[in-house]
Amino acid sequence: DAKTTQPPSMDCAEGRAANLPCNHSTISGNEYVYWYRQIHSQGPQYIIHGLKNNETNEMASLIITEDRKSSTLILPHATLRDTAVYYCMVRGRLTGPHNNDMRFGAGTRLTVKP
Amino acid sequence: SQTIHQWPATLVQPVGSPLSLECTVEGTSNPNLYWYRQAAGRGLQLLFYSVGIGQISSEVPQNLSASRPQDRQFILSSKKLLLSDSGFYLCAWAGLPRPGELFFGEGSRLTVL
Repeated sequence: DAKTTQPPSMDCAEGRAANLPCNHSTISGNEYVYWYRQIHSQGPQYIIHGLKNNETNEMASLIITEDRKSSTLILPHATLRDTAVYYCMVRGRLTGPHNNDMRFGAGTRLTVKP
Repeated sequence: SQTIHQWPATLVQPVGSPLSLECTVEGTSNPNLYWYRQAAGRGLQLLFYSVGIGQISSEVPQNLSASRPQDRQFILSSKKLLLSDSGFYLCAWAGLPRPGELFFGEGSRLTVL
């Protein structure tokens, strides 16, 4: 019963930007948007998170709409090694008894093609 | 720095046998701890989480159980395994110094025959 909706799969050409959308229309004011990715047979890896401003790090950029009901993860120059399942999650930032909603949705399977 | 380890990495067990998977975290105090399962080709299913010693919350009813005997130790157990228990089990932690982020162990691949 995840709070997010993502397309099940996407393809991207190597070297092109991969834009992965996520809908989170019920997000509350204190919830952040987190992105993780899981390469086959490994544990998920944190990519980026944000509250309302756009964020960028060495791995990706995160664009959050002004109403915060959706976001897009951007991999600017996708490589074959970016082929993975990408998960979008919304949750409060602080951990504790009332911030344990660490459930993942189905994610988007991104395939980067040569 | 913080590290998380889980073991064993791989195991093959007969139906009806017991199970014990262990996870330990180092470099942080009072973390939230999580057990996930991933069946072949499927997404991550949250099984249990714990906010402190002896405090376990179950997300799904099943023949598995979890325990947290120490602050940084989380154990997943079963008295009698079913075929449907096969899968990839992941332990994760969240807490200081990066609250809100999940850090995963290497995973344990269980095959029940």
